[in-house]
Order: sequence, then structure tokens, then C-alpha cells
Amino acid sequence: SQQGEEDPQALSIQEGENATMNCSYKTSINNLQWYRQNSGRGLVHLILIRSNEREKHSGRLRVTLDTSKKSSSLLITASRAADTASYFCATVWAGANNLFFGTGTRLTVIP
Amino acid sequence: DTEVTQTPKHLVMGMTNKKSLKCEQHMGHRAMYWYKQKAKKPPELMFVYSYEKLSINESVPSRFSPECPNSSLLNLHLHALQPEDSALYLCASSLPATGELFFGEGSRLTVL
Repeated sequence: SQQGEEDPQALSIQEGENATMNCSYKTSINNLQWYRQNSGRGLVHLILIRSNEREKHSGRLRVTLDTSKKSSSLLITASRAADTASYFCATVWAGANNLFFGTGTRLTVIP
Repeated sequence: DTEVTQTPKHLVMGMTNKKSLKCEQHMGHRAMYWYKQKAKKPPELMFVYSYEKLSINESVPSRFSPECPNSSLLNLHLHALQPEDSALYLCASSLPATGELFFGEGSRLTVL
């Protein structure tokens, strides 16, 4: 399959807690991206991490990348009810310019 | 302007109909994409246009026919679809160098 695998498939937390989602992929990549999708809507780009980077921050988001394990994690700190959405990792394969999405994590933040 | 605009938002069609989905962006992006997304699944790549030329067709059935009239517009022509083609169709554009995609809100297609 071209898709990456994400876990957990679903995550439910209380507002204020941190949420961690993991992504594993199969091929060498140029970069890995995380997207968010509210139910039935388009996807919104959150953050991009290049293959030569190990960690990146953007606001309440922290992304790590371990190319030796072909895995990435997305940490959302101090979660809010408005963070409720599906989160997808997506990889750009080395030598290509196409984006393939992982299976996604459905995050529910309970107020 | 950082928007990708898709029309229509909703489309219901019979299996013998011919219809089109439209996508427009004015960000100067030279790569445009069609993705198909079924409920609770990730988006699946269908087509990629790079500099108005079809560069990738992910083995999509010929009842889906893409068209890129110019660098701002992308169409998806639909003909003789099946009920299993019902899905959310997402258009996206990107700066080729980064691969970061900007998505439209999608067109929800129902085939009866």
C-alpha cells in the first residue's frame, strides 16, 4: 500500500491534555507533512518537516521525524475542543512530488 | 488569495449523466491535484497536473476525465459513473518545490 499507517485510529482526551499521534511509512521521503480535516471539509496543512530535520515546532504543535525508523509523531499541547478533527500524515516520496496520505487519527477533545 | 475554490459543493447524478467538477486557484501554483475520499478514509490521489500537463494518473477508470484548461483551472469530467464512485472529491494545488498542498472544501458527489 502507498499509505502510511497512523495510530491510534481514534483518540479521545479532555480539554487541556496533550494529544500524540504517530505515523509510520514505508519508503524514503523528501518530507513529511501533517494535515487536519474537520468532518466533511477540505484538508488544512499544519506543518512540514524535511527528511534532514528531526524536530519542528509551530505554535502548540510539535512534530518529530525519525527516518531510521520511518516514523513521525505529532504532539498537540494544551488541547482545545476546537482541535477535534481528523489528522493525517502525508509523505512526499524521494524523487517524486506527490503526496500520499496515511490512514489518519480521529481526535476528539472533550470540553 | 490563498483559496482553492471548488464547485459545485454537492452533486447528485444518475449513472447515465455527464457532469463536471470545477476547481480554481489564483495562487500561481503550477501543480494541481484531484483526490477522492470515501467516508472515514484518507484521500486517495487520482490525478496530478504539473504546468498544465497531466503528469500522474493513478490508474483511474476512464469514466473520470481530467482537464486543465489553464494554470488556474482544473476540471474533472464525469460520465457513466457507478454508485461506488460516490465520495468527496478534493482539489488541491501546490508550489512544486515544497509539495505543501492547499485544498478546496471538496465536492460531495452522490451517484444514484
